[in-house]
Amino acid sequence: AQSVTQLDSHVSVSEGTPVLLRCNYSSSYSPSLFWYVQHPNKGLQLLLKYTSAATLVKGINGFEAEFKKSETSFHLTKPSAHMSDAAEYFCVVSPLNQGGKLIFGQGTELSVKP
Amino acid sequence: EAQVTQNPRYLITVTGKKLTVTCSQNMNHEYMSWYRQDPGLGLRQIYYSMNVEATDKGDVPEGYKVSRKEKRNFPLILESPSPNQTSLYFCASSTRTSWSYEQYFGPGTRLTVT
Repeated sequence: AQSVTQLDSHVSVSEGTPVLLRCNYSSSYSPSLFWYVQHPNKGLQLLLKYTSAATLVKGINGFEAEFKKSETSFHLTKPSAHMSDAAEYFCVVSPLNQGGKLIFGQGTELSVKP
Repeated sequence: EAQVTQNPRYLITVTGKKLTVTCSQNMNHEYMSWYRQDPGLGLRQIYYSMNVEATDKGDVPEGYKVSRKEKRNFPLILESPSPNQTSLYFCASSTRTSWSYEQYFGPGTRLTVT
């Protein structure tokens, strides 16, 4: 069965320092992978998606993620955190042949200190 | 503006009183889905619909009903709400790209059942 594990429930960084949010997935096939962000009291916004075209995926707001099949990982990074990046981040897998089903990780709350 | 709308955004009700949460999208998407979000659990799929008159259970369908009579609307019905259905609910829609379903989320409905 497919699953997603976000390795940290909470990450705290200082403004201007790098961000790393870790995600491992389990899938029998090469899945589609996404990162979504949820700002407080807001809906979910797509940050980026991996669909096998390139292993390094660039998203909005300076975020990027690298698909590593050998490690079954899809970690999210950003070189320099901004205060506005404080939010909850979800790693999501969409298994092939399951009609659009999304499987969410538990979420990682990112705090950014001034 | 392309969007998914949900109503109401906030609802407090009592056990057993039937309620409906509406969801509408203006993107002509075939696929629509309902999720509930609970702390530490991420989002879990309740029901989904591949197209008009085609609905199916997700991971946590107990206590919920849906219908898809029109392409744009996908209401979520709680026939007899219970306190364990207190949650944050999201509707999402998508159209299938060549590889994956990129889903667009509504703003959420916060439901409290007392």
